[in-house]
Amino acid sequence: AQKVTQAQTEISVVEKEDVTLDCVYETRDTTYYLFWYKQPPSGELVFLIRRNSFDEQNEISGRYSWNFQKSTSSFNFTITASQVVDSAVYFCALTTVNYGGSQGNLIFGKGTKLSVKP
Amino acid sequence: EAQVTQNPRYLITVTGKKLTVTCSQNMNHEYMSWYRQDPGLGLRQIYYSMNVEVTDKGDVPEGYKVSRKEKRNFPLILESPSPNQTSLYFCASSLGGRRDYGYTFGSGTRLTVV
Repeated sequence: AQKVTQAQTEISVVEKEDVTLDCVYETRDTTYYLFWYKQPPSGELVFLIRRNSFDEQNEISGRYSWNFQKSTSSFNFTITASQVVDSAVYFCALTTVNYGGSQGNLIFGKGTKLSVKP
Repeated sequence: EAQVTQNPRYLITVTGKKLTVTCSQNMNHEYMSWYRQDPGLGLRQIYYSMNVEVTDKGDVPEGYKVSRKEKRNFPLILESPSPNQTSLYFCASSLGGRRDYGYTFGSGTRLTVV
């Protein structure tokens, strides 16, 4: 069975601090995709990144960076120099791909609520 | 603009009064799904559909029905809503198959059942 664990329920930091959100996943499939979504107070889900299981390169996008490590089944998300606008709930998610190439369902972690204080 | 449209955005209803939350996508996506989000529980899948006339239960299907008569629409039906169905609901779609593994989400429907 597939599972995504976000052990940090809530994190509070002061503006300009760096913060890392942890994501650990479980799957027996060799082909899968990992995602991060941001949910600001307005409630919509904002797509941040998608990563497939064959690409372990870390990715950086502005102040955001992602560290994918298959050896530890982790896909952690770091915000550098956090800002108040980063305050949101962040979800990590997983979808697997079967031998026929069809995707499975998108499975979410329970989310991490990040509060960035001025 | 490629999007998933959910309606209504907000709904307050009374116990037992049947309601439908609509979901429509304009991307010709095969895969569609409904999630509910509750504090501390994250997003949990209610139902999903791999294509027209093909639907299946997710993790929390009790109290919900869906239909997929056409590719673009995937309504969520609550035949007899109860207060424990008060939640934030999201519809999502994906191209499916081997072509793409990204998901597009609607803006959410906040449902309150009193």
